[in-house]
Amino acid sequence: GENVEQHPSTLSVQEGDSAVIKCTYSDSASNYFPWYKQELGKGPQLIIDIRSNVGEKKDQRIAVTLNKTAKHFSLHITETQPEDSAVYFCAADGDYKLSFGAGTTVTVRA
Amino acid sequence: NAGVMQNPRHLVRRRGQEARLRCSPMKGHSHVYWYRQLPEEGLKFMVYLQKENIIDESGMPKERFSAEFPKEGPSILRIQQVVRGDSAAYFCASSRGGAGGNQPQHFGDGTRLSIL
Repeated sequence: GENVEQHPSTLSVQEGDSAVIKCTYSDSASNYFPWYKQELGKGPQLIIDIRSNVGEKKDQRIAVTLNKTAKHFSLHITETQPEDSAVYFCAADGDYKLSFGAGTTVTVRA
Repeated sequence: NAGVMQNPRHLVRRRGQEARLRCSPMKGHSHVYWYRQLPEEGLKFMVYLQKENIIDESGMPKERFSAEFPKEGPSILRIQQVVRGDSAAYFCASSRGGAGGNQPQHFGDGTRLSIL
């Protein structure tokens, strides 16, 4: 089955700085890579996703990059704000079954 | 603007009792997925259902756990004879399509199950 590894497990950044989270996956058949943000007591919220036929996708302050050859993908958050503090999960999907990374706790310091 | 609705939000059961978790998908979604999350871990796939059909239950324990998505009403995840190890957050997601489509999955806020 698919194995997704996510780094770092915790990330503390100064407000206004950038945050980068990296994930690797094992199954070359995976072709869809969503990112979720989870706040305390809530469910995961889809914030951006990328498909295997695209190398990069951007939505305002959030961008994702995908390297299919190396089997890794990354989330970039620019100009971080306090409301960006949360746990972020990457996931990989070959068909319908999402395999999640262990999560990154992001803390944005004011 | 109803998203994925799960209830109850919190459920406390004693060992040996039954737990029933309910999930109503987003409007227009006919595919439902259940995931389990242990503290400080990512979500683990349990089961994928369409109306009246279980498509993939490979992530669900063989005993005590069952899931259904009837023609009418919400999807139900049922855990019989609960044990302490069943304590976790259970999340439901829904999508428009499923297999072969990589449709985005949208999650509910989960049911936090505690076993005494």
